[in-house]
Amino acid sequence: NAGVTQTPKFQVLKTGQSMTLQCAQDMNHNSMYWYRQDPGMGLRLIYYSASEGTTDKGEVPNGYNVSRLNKREFSLRLESAAPSQTSVYFCASSGTGTSGYSYEQYFGPGTRLTVT
Amino acid sequence: GESVGLHLPTLSVQEGDNSIINCAYSNSASDYFIWYKQESGKGPQFIIDIRSNMDKRQGQRVTVLLNKTVKHLSLQIAATQPGDSAVYFCAETRGYWGYQKVTFGTGTKLQVIP
Repeated sequence: NAGVTQTPKFQVLKTGQSMTLQCAQDMNHNSMYWYRQDPGMGLRLIYYSASEGTTDKGEVPNGYNVSRLNKREFSLRLESAAPSQTSVYFCASSGTGTSGYSYEQYFGPGTRLTVT
Repeated sequence: GESVGLHLPTLSVQEGDNSIINCAYSNSASDYFIWYKQESGKGPQFIIDIRSNMDKRQGQRVTVLLNKTVKHLSLQIAATQPGDSAVYFCAETRGYWGYQKVTFGTGTKLQVIP
């Protein structure tokens, strides 16, 4: 199993450009998440998807959109990149136990994005 | 509001010694507490977790202690090795139907001195 994969690993954008970060998991997990990590800020949730076909805002959703393409894939789109979106972006997924509750998250390797 | 924080931003430990990383949390309703390890250039990796109704859990070379009275969490690493050098995050989590709400701390960097 590859676990959680993300593409690209690095990206440089100019202000106003758009791009999509791709994420896929092969663990048959229902829930997927997008986080950003900034120095001294820890990980902050941008969007999450509890199941295929549903998405919800997290702590810092402004400037982003997401698509849960199917159970495996969850993409993050920046429509008009801003320097404040310079960060490391992590995708994660988690399974659901028999009770329906979901705990441990598995993270991808991250995408390092710089917006100039 | 909810918060998870760490007492020490950087911890330097001699190889072979034990390491203790501390964390404070504020949400009494959290179900689980998790420690993650993040090596340079990689995503966070699960180390160990503990339910809110437990006070201690042991893994391989790691032990997590939970003190709900003072809302304190610690990670103990026995016989610290160079490969343990990383940033360690504590996280408090509450499971909801279909997703997990996680609040991460800002991290403690562990430096192992050979």
